[in-house]
Amino acid sequence: DQQVKQNSPSLSVQEGRISILNCDYTNSMFDYFLWYKKYPAEGPTFLISISSIKDKNEDGRFTVFLNKSAKHLSLHIVPSQPGDSAVYFCAASAGGGSNYKLTFGKGTLLTVNP
Amino acid sequence: DGGITQSPKYLFRKEGQNVTLSCEQNLNHDAMYWYRQDPGQGLRLIYYSQIVNDFQKGDIAEGYSVSREKKESFPLTVTSAQKNPTAFYLCASSRLGGHYGYTFGSGTRLTVV
Repeated sequence: DQQVKQNSPSLSVQEGRISILNCDYTNSMFDYFLWYKKYPAEGPTFLISISSIKDKNEDGRFTVFLNKSAKHLSLHIVPSQPGDSAVYFCAASAGGGSNYKLTFGKGTLLTVNP
Repeated sequence: DGGITQSPKYLFRKEGQNVTLSCEQNLNHDAMYWYRQDPGQGLRLIYYSQIVNDFQKGDIAEGYSVSREKKESFPLTVTSAQKNPTAFYLCASSRLGGHYGYTFGSGTRLTVV
């Protein structure tokens, strides 16, 4: 039972355009969401996060939007750069009894073409 | 300079042999985790530990074992019972008691030859 779903295994965009990566979740107890970026043969690095009390969080070129009613979040990268080419993982956690353990999606491979 | 270190970067194992992957952190994090990454499978949790001398199975614990004798260290042993051990293994750590996210190591690529 996959609680965090990234339904697009891959996405290709042109340099300078917007990249939109999507993530859906099923567990209504999730109250914190994160995006990680991963290059081949390296560990994931934290990119941006959002609490369920917000619907938007912005950090430079990266913005995460959260739609709680739809159980959907998205990561927008504007403008996209070739160095953004990587696998992006969506992750979610619930506090309290779940001890904030992260549940990851399967990832989306983003390719930004020069 | 705090961080999490995995060693070795690349590891080759013969069929039927056990092998241990090292993970050390100096972030003073209470929790540590082991994940496996396979193409198209994302990150799958093998084991995690939230306190010294205690650990829990994740989603794919069969064929693996761990220990947590020190807060800083969480080694993973891939046993001969693991039927398909070739994969990229990632160790992570985190604080507890809030939404702190994980810090990941750089990974170990294990290949069975």
